[in-house]
Amino acid sequence: GENVEQHPSTLSVQEGDSAVIKCTYSDSASNYFPWYKQELGKRPQLIIDIRSNVGEKKDQRIAVTLNKTAKHFSLHITETQPEDSAVYFCAASRGQAGTALIFGKGTTLSVSS
Amino acid sequence: KAGVTQTPRYLIKTRGQQVTLSCSPISGHRSVSWYQQTPGQGLQFLFEYFSETQRNKGNFPGRFSGRQFSNSRSEMNVSTLELGDSALYLCASSVRWTGMNEQFFGPGTRLTVL
Repeated sequence: GENVEQHPSTLSVQEGDSAVIKCTYSDSASNYFPWYKQELGKRPQLIIDIRSNVGEKKDQRIAVTLNKTAKHFSLHITETQPEDSAVYFCAASRGQAGTALIFGKGTTLSVSS
Repeated sequence: KAGVTQTPRYLIKTRGQQVTLSCSPISGHRSVSWYQQTPGQGLQFLFEYFSETQRNKGNFPGRFSGRQFSNSRSEMNVSTLELGDSALYLCASSVRWTGMNEQFFGPGTRLTVL
């Protein structure tokens, strides 16, 4: 069935460094790839998303790249700050219809100052 | 605009009981999806509703069911609760039932089964 693999499961960086989280998906029909940030005890919040007809998207310190041929996408955070510490989830749409998302298992990012 | 709301926020039940969780989407949103979040399995898709119809279903047993009302509010029901059903249940709403739409999550209902 549909599957999204996410790596690494934990990531520790120093403030100001860059962080990269990678995901692969199995369903070639997936066409929407959002990234969510979840702080402890809070709801997941969308931080950036990318559609299948786009290869890269940037929003300030955050960027996402998509390689449809290889079926993988990545989140890049530059100039990390302590407030970036959270669990990050990648997701892929379940096929092309509907809003159902298949999530990766999450990456716990720790940014130390 | 008010965000997605879920009630109750916390629930404690015993094995064999049933439970109903409620989700109110953002005003104007007609699609509601439900997810189960556990430390071991992460976020898993349960089902999604649009215009009172279930459009998609995840790989959960029939004990898990849901419905959507004409005002887009949604409920999910879990019957014959098992210990493994302990989880955070999140609902998410979006404007349309088509892909590539941002989903907004509610705060979740924390269900503990004893």
